[in-house]
Amino acid sequence: DAGVIQSPRHEVTEMGQEVTLRCKPISGHNSLFWYRQTMMRGLELLIYFNNNVPIDDSGMPEDRFSAKMPNASFSTLKIQPSEPRDSAVYFCASNEQGLDYGYTFGSGTRLTVV
Amino acid sequence: QQQVKQSPQSLIVQKGGISIINCAYENTAFDYFPWYQQFPGKGPALLIAIRPDVSEKKEGRFTISFNKSAKQFSLHIMDSQPGDSATYFCAASTAGSNYQLIWGAGTKLIIKP
Repeated sequence: DAGVIQSPRHEVTEMGQEVTLRCKPISGHNSLFWYRQTMMRGLELLIYFNNNVPIDDSGMPEDRFSAKMPNASFSTLKIQPSEPRDSAVYFCASNEQGLDYGYTFGSGTRLTVV
Repeated sequence: QQQVKQSPQSLIVQKGGISIINCAYENTAFDYFPWYQQFPGKGPALLIAIRPDVSEKKEGRFTISFNKSAKQFSLHIMDSQPGDSATYFCAASTAGSNYQLIWGAGTKLIIKP
């Protein structure tokens, strides 16, 4: 298995632009997570999907952030409009049967908003 | 009460030495304590995990020690190698949750050859 695949690896955009981050989870994993990592705030859970349904989006910082999972093999995280404070590394992770099996993280998307 | 406090923030250890990273928590409902390892440019990866019914778990050179009364747990890396240089995160989860991890702030470990 190729693991969790995220694209793009790097994204530089201007403030106010729309940004879409993409994730392909591991086949057969029924849980998907979007995380944000910064030096100041560490790892933050943004949203959690189970069987393609959003279960907990309490970590989504503002209405500018939205996430979708139209099917078991694809998810997007969209920021519209983007702001410089959104600059971070965004990780997607998937999981099969609960925490004991661990999350499998993708390599992340480094977002820079200028 | 939901926090997991991790120390030190950074650690330098000579090759062959023992690396020790500590975490403390307040919420007695936590019942799952994993450690994740993150290399630069990669996402975190599960290294080892423990539940509070045991005081120690060992996997190769990596050991978790758990002290339930003190509400502390630690990661020990024996015979530390340069390839162990990474950022290590402890985390904790409450009973009944199958997804919500409370993360420590991370420890950047450097093993000097």
